[in-house]
Amino acid sequence: KNEVEQSPQNLTAQEGEFITINCSYSVGISALHWLQQHPGGGIVSLFMLSSGKKKHGRLIATINIQEKHSSLHITASHPRDSAVYICAVDGGNKLVFGAGTILRVKS
Amino acid sequence: GAVVSQHPSRVICKSGTSVKIECRSLDFQATTMFWYRQFPKQSLMLMATSNEGSKATYEQGVEKDKFLINHASLTLSTLTVTSAHPEDSSFYICSATHNYGYTFGSGTRLTVV
Repeated sequence: KNEVEQSPQNLTAQEGEFITINCSYSVGISALHWLQQHPGGGIVSLFMLSSGKKKHGRLIATINIQEKHSSLHITASHPRDSAVYICAVDGGNKLVFGAGTILRVKS
Repeated sequence: GAVVSQHPSRVICKSGTSVKIECRSLDFQATTMFWYRQFPKQSLMLMATSNEGSKATYEQGVEKDKFLINHASLTLSTLTVTSAHPEDSSFYICSATHNYGYTFGSGTRLTVV
């Protein structure tokens, strides 16, 4: 079993839909990261969480430390949100990555 | 702030040659940088952790003599793929830590022909 599990693996949504991507982990962490990788390969760090909830524009990330679970929400999705979203947990000295969720938002 | 510049973005080289990839932190000091490899449709795999002024720590299964890492200054880390073979073709990406988390380079797509 992977230390970081993401679901779904693939997600297709219609423009405007509310999207949720889930991440569960099995190890102790100091922080959890949500990353966005575009087709060209570049990776952007969206959030770093150690507790609670963070919001940036249409993106919301939550984490439940007791449940070892985090969610990334996208409100009013847009085709430009199409990317791979990766959950990564920081065990203290390195990141452990989930397999990623491929999101496609259709117009 | 916290920008990491990675070059080159794409490189094609012949089998047997060596390729150097650079990662620079532009507006902060990166005492620690990480090098990852990503195969198509797979997630990132940590290859090694480099600390400024000391030897890199390689993950299990990564050949340190093939993937040479140098972190000679607080703003520059390099990965050299030596005697490249077609199976080394991959996407290589670096990241650096800072107070606000991790910043990633834009990646290097290496094709060995």
